[in-house]
Amino acid sequence: QTVVTQEPSFSVSPGGTVTLTCGLSSGSVSTNYYPSWYQQTPGQAPRTLIYDTNTRSSGVPDRFAGSILGNKAALTITGAQAHDESDYYCVLYMGSGIWVFGGGTKLTVL
Amino acid sequence: QVQLVESGGGVVQPGRSLRLSCAASGFTFSGYGMHWVRQAPGKGLEWVAVIRHDGTKEHYADFVKGRFIISRDISKNTLYLQMNSPRAEDTAVYYCARDVNFGMDVWGQGTTVTVSS
Repeated sequence: QTVVTQEPSFSVSPGGTVTLTCGLSSGSVSTNYYPSWYQQTPGQAPRTLIYDTNTRSSGVPDRFAGSILGNKAALTITGAQAHDESDYYCVLYMGSGIWVFGGGTKLTVL
Repeated sequence: QVQLVESGGGVVQPGRSLRLSCAASGFTFSGYGMHWVRQAPGKGLEWVAVIRHDGTKEHYADFVKGRFIISRDISKNTLYLQMNSPRAEDTAVYYCARDVNFGMDVWGQGTTVTVSS
């Protein structure tokens, strides 16, 4: 059973830049996994940030960027703001009609 | 505007059945694949199932395969999740989401399912 890995937590200073990653317990993430990224605050539905590796969803500011870095998918947030403090999830398409979410990263802005 | 609205959640006894609905509006429902994603209390997001835009193919996570059925009624612009033989570990908020390029771009607000005797 392949596990999608994310950093459990990360911290960034206001105005700073942070890169969250999304990897595999076995193997490398490529564009063929169509990585996508979601932001979620407690009690709210997820909000789509990025799909298909690097396509920003409608209304998402260009402070959020998706990419492949090495063997992982990455979400880079530049100019971090207080309201960016959220949980961030990635999901990978594993093929054969199956998707798997990562465990999520809790981002603190302080 | 593009919108998904889930309904049908509630308390269900283990082994009974429950059907969730997701009403779509603001877009051509028949043109998009649709997902169900769930989130247990205090836990992360978990993919549950997907159905093709035309309803001809479905796929499930192993933990619901054989128990849950995803379906859609294009005439009603509605997605469904039939939950059969639910277990305590199926307790979660269930979200429907629209597929875009193998990701999800539009989400509903979620409906809460509690499996308890």
